[in-house]
Amino acid sequence: EAGVAQSPRYKIIEKRQSVAFWCNPISGHATLYWYQQILGQGPKLLIQFQNNGVVDDSQLPKDRFSAERLKGVDSTLKIQPAKLEDSAVYLCASNPFQYQETQYFGPGTRLLVL
Amino acid sequence: SQQGEEDPQALSIQEGENATMNCSYKTSINNLQWYRQNSGRGLVHLILIRSNEREKHSGRLRVTLDTSKKSSSLLITASRAADTASYFCATDNNAGNMLTFGGGTRLMVKP
Repeated sequence: EAGVAQSPRYKIIEKRQSVAFWCNPISGHATLYWYQQILGQGPKLLIQFQNNGVVDDSQLPKDRFSAERLKGVDSTLKIQPAKLEDSAVYLCASNPFQYQETQYFGPGTRLLVL
Repeated sequence: SQQGEEDPQALSIQEGENATMNCSYKTSINNLQWYRQNSGRGLVHLILIRSNEREKHSGRLRVTLDTSKKSSSLLITASRAADTASYFCATDNNAGNMLTFGGGTRLMVKP
């Protein structure tokens, strides 16, 4: 079974530029999560999708971050415009359904904002 | 804010020794999970313990949960160099499996 795929693996941009990250969850997984992990800290949940609907986005900075999962499969997270403090690893995770506890993580996208 | 706080933040031991890391949290939980993260990689689920359980084992891993103290511990026995990683506890917030992670314990196992 293929794992959660993310791309790109690394991205370097200048502040005020835009960037997008892509995630393809494990096949058949209805629930998808985006996390932000700042260096030396644990992951922080940004948004949770159930199929193509948003379950929780209370910690997503909506003035600059957006995410979508249009067909209930893969998802895109966008930052526009980026700030220095957005430098982090962006992790995508999925699980088969909302109340299945274990989450399966992708390798992450490491973003550096200069 | 992060609900779980791991202690210690960093731990260095010799191969073959046991490693114990602790996690404290603030609010009631459905379950508590431990994840491992190797450098530059995503997180891997290790073990889950439910709020009505006190102890759980999986291979060389032993997890305890004390809901009265809002704390959990992860014990890795007979550690190996391959156990070198960061370990995170994560709590389920009682509402649809949204996990809150602690800051992690960075474990180094020296060969």
